Amino acid sequence: AQKITQTQPGMFVQEKEAVTLDCTYDTSDPSYGLFWYKQPSSGEMIFLIYQGSYDQQNATEGRYSLNFQKARKSANLVISASQLGDSAMYFCAMQYRSNFGNEKLTFGTGTRLTIIP
Amino acid sequence: DAGVIQSPRHEVTEMGQEVTLRCKPISGHNSLFWYRQTMMRGLELLIYFNNNVPIDDSGMPEDRFSAKMPNASFSTLKIQPSEPRDSAVYFCASSPLREGAGLAEAFFGQGTRLTVV
Repeated sequence: AQKITQTQPGMFVQEKEAVTLDCTYDTSDPSYGLFWYKQPSSGEMIFLIYQGSYDQQNATEGRYSLNFQKARKSANLVISASQLGDSAMYFCAMQYRSNFGNEKLTFGTGTRLTIIP
Repeated sequence: DAGVIQSPRHEVTEMGQEVTLRCKPISGHNSLFWYRQTMMRGLELLIYFNNNVPIDDSGMPEDRFSAKMPNASFSTLKIQPSEPRDSAVYFCASSPLREGAGLAEAFFGQGTRLTVV
């Protein structure tokens, strides 16, 4: 079964420090995609970064990078130089091909990140 | 582009009433998703449309839920009759096709917070 696991329900990090949010996944499909989304207290879901299963390089988007370790089936999000505005829920998601043949996007349970001044 | 637009933002209704949630996806996106978010179950995919056709409705909880996409710019999620356990935030998201294969990132609407009393 396809599954996304985020084992850190909450994290507290000092401002300006780097933070790593963990995500592991389980799939037997060789073709899949991994996404990270941010959900601030206002509730909207904001796309951060994407990694395809065949991508050779780790994805980066500004202060966000994805530490993709395919053999370990992990896709950790790294935020460098954290800011107060980074305080939010962070969701890892996996795109895979369902039994219906369509691309399906399933989410982990999220990690609540709090940046401390 | 204004992004994915959902209405209403908040809905309070009495048990047994019909509720209709509305979504306008981003123009040009050919995939549309309805998600439900609760504290207990996290983000759950309810139904997925591709080119206005329902592809995967395996996440729809029961017959009380129905979704339609009469054209590329509009979708509805209807609950009839509503129950207190349907209280949640309902998100609509749309996505274009990624070059090569698979989905690009899904862009989410602001969500509809539904409270059934």
